[in-house]
Amino acid sequence: DAGVTQSPTHLIKTRGQQVTLRCSPKSGHDTVSWYQQALGQGPQFIFQYYEEEERQRGNFPDRFSGHQFPNYSSELNVNALLLGDSALYLCASSSRDSPLHFGNGTRLTVT
Amino acid sequence: LAKITQPISMDSYEGQEVNITCSHNNIATNDYITWYQQFPSQGPRFIIQGYKTKVTNEVASLFIPADRKSSTLSLPRVSLSDTAVYYCLVGDLGDGNYGQNFVFGPGTRLSVLP
Repeated sequence: DAGVTQSPTHLIKTRGQQVTLRCSPKSGHDTVSWYQQALGQGPQFIFQYYEEEERQRGNFPDRFSGHQFPNYSSELNVNALLLGDSALYLCASSSRDSPLHFGNGTRLTVT
Repeated sequence: LAKITQPISMDSYEGQEVNITCSHNNIATNDYITWYQQFPSQGPRFIIQGYKTKVTNEVASLFIPADRKSSTLSLPRVSLSDTAVYYCLVGDLGDGNYGQNFVFGPGTRLSVLP
């Protein structure tokens, strides 16, 4: 049973560009959450998707957007990249009876 | 949201039992306590979750006193591979609705020495 998978594993972008990160949830999970983790810090909640809609959102600007597909997979989009967006982006999936399961993240570097 | 306090770092030796305590004085009635482990460049891994008293699984035990204002993660006989950051999270599961209710703090950096 595959866990949460994320792609790509690493990404280098230039300031001002746009990026799309992808996530496939653990089998049986219907909820996907995205987190940003800066070096040496705990993960910070970006937003959560359930039934293809954004259900909750953390304190992140509108440059951060997402999508959930009918198969529960999800994308995180970041527009107008800033140097400060460099971080590990984590996807986590969950369901009613299951705690959060995290993928190993996408390391985004903005130069 | 519950305010969480846990030690920034801890050292231990192989074979010892390690106890990491998390304080959450304003825990709400519906809040659960969840612990995650994270290795460098990996996502956090679920360790254990509980509401009250004691919960035990194959890797750890979680002790929660009656007032639930704190909790202790106990790792029996640690090895070098247990060196990681450990996060205590407190929040309302709300139909599996892990989201902004579950806030990661800076965690406890555990170093296991030979």
